[in-house]
Amino acid sequence: EPEVTQTPSHQVTQMGQEVILRCVPISNHLYFYWYRQILGQKVEFLVSFYNNEISEKSEIFDDQFSVERPDGSNFTLKIRSTKLEDSAMYFCASSTPGLAGRWDNEQFFGPGTRLTVL
Amino acid sequence: QKEVEQDPGPLSVPEGAIVSLNCTYSNSAFQYFMWYRQYSRKGPELLMYTYSSGNKEDGRFTAQVDKSSKYISLFIRDSQPSDSATYLCAMSGQAGTALIFGKGTTLSVSS
Repeated sequence: EPEVTQTPSHQVTQMGQEVILRCVPISNHLYFYWYRQILGQKVEFLVSFYNNEISEKSEIFDDQFSVERPDGSNFTLKIRSTKLEDSAMYFCASSTPGLAGRWDNEQFFGPGTRLTVL
Repeated sequence: QKEVEQDPGPLSVPEGAIVSLNCTYSNSAFQYFMWYRQYSRKGPELLMYTYSSGNKEDGRFTAQVDKSSKYISLFIRDSQPSDSATYLCAMSGQAGTALIFGKGTTLSVSS
């Protein structure tokens, strides 16, 4: 069964450093997303990406964040200068158009990257 | 006013019990409703997906959406210890848009 994969599973970085989190969405999916979950809190939306551009972003997704689809399979999230409060699980998700012309919104999540900022 | 409300529990039931999990929401534009299961420090796993109102059944799981009351439910029949996890409701408006999650309900099923 196709699945979303993410690397690395755990990333430790120093405050102020840049990190890149990588995701391989399900191959025929067209929408890609990043979410984060701070320990003990809700899953929060960061950004969605469609047709090689950002389609929606939240207030969390400020100038320190960027996304890219560098090739036909990878989808990345870059944090330019990490802060302590960026420590969280980061989840990539993807979704695809549905059947009979109706666009569905079933989003399939990857296992996550645990980011620890020291 | 929070967009999606979900009682965090914890909820403890004996094996074989029927479990009812619920969420309420305030945004009438939501039309896609999902239930995810999440184990500790893992990614959310999609369990049930419903578009608009109605019921959907998949094995021991039944999802219900009542848009008039802005209320969604997940029922688990014949609960098993392996069902012990956190259950997240999530919803959105248009396709391809952000999912808004509830806080999650932690369920423990004892054998």
